[in-house]
Amino acid sequence: KQEVTQIPAALSVPEGENLVLNCSFTDSAIYNLQWFRQDPGKGLTSLLLIQSSQREQTSGRLNASLDKSSGRSTLYIAASQPGDSATYLCAVPRGGGGSNYKLTFGKGTLLTVNP
Amino acid sequence: DGGITQSPKYLFRKEGQNVTLSCEQNLNHDAMYWYRQDPGQGLRLIYYSQIVNDFQKGDIAEGYSVSREKKESFPLTVTSAQKNPTAFYLCASSSTGSNEQYFGPGTRLTVT
Repeated sequence: KQEVTQIPAALSVPEGENLVLNCSFTDSAIYNLQWFRQDPGKGLTSLLLIQSSQREQTSGRLNASLDKSSGRSTLYIAASQPGDSATYLCAVPRGGGGSNYKLTFGKGTLLTVNP
Repeated sequence: DGGITQSPKYLFRKEGQNVTLSCEQNLNHDAMYWYRQDPGQGLRLIYYSQIVNDFQKGDIAEGYSVSREKKESFPLTVTSAQKNPTAFYLCASSSTGSNEQYFGPGTRLTVT
């Protein structure tokens, strides 16, 4: 059974700091990994999808890395801003074939960027 | 604008009543999903549908029902059999061959 863990559960940083959010998963046979952002009371916004054949994916100030062998992904946020404050979740597919449609989510990291 | 809409944003019901949550997408995605989110817990999959007129139970399907009569629509009914229906409900969709999921804004259901 795939399990996804995100550490830390909460993180508070001053504006301008570079930071790393962690995601670990127990079954390394994944097709891809997706990072999301969720603002309070809102739906999830897809940030990055990193394929199993890739090691990194970048979008603006965000960089996601994937190390399947160690069961880890990191989301790097450069020059953090108060607007980055949100909960960040990672998710992986549970398996191949039909079950590839099912995602297992971590519980998220609540990020607060202080002005 | 392409995207997923959910309505209503807030929904209040009395215990014992069935309630239907709407989810519509214009992304031309084949697959659609319903999740439930509770404080301190990760998202849990209720039902999913890979194609019109077909759907499968997720991890917590008891007390819920769905239909998929049109590609664009995947309504969720929360029945009176659901013991703890108060939660934040999220709908998502993805295209065939890519399980990158896109989410709607959510519906917060409160049952008293």
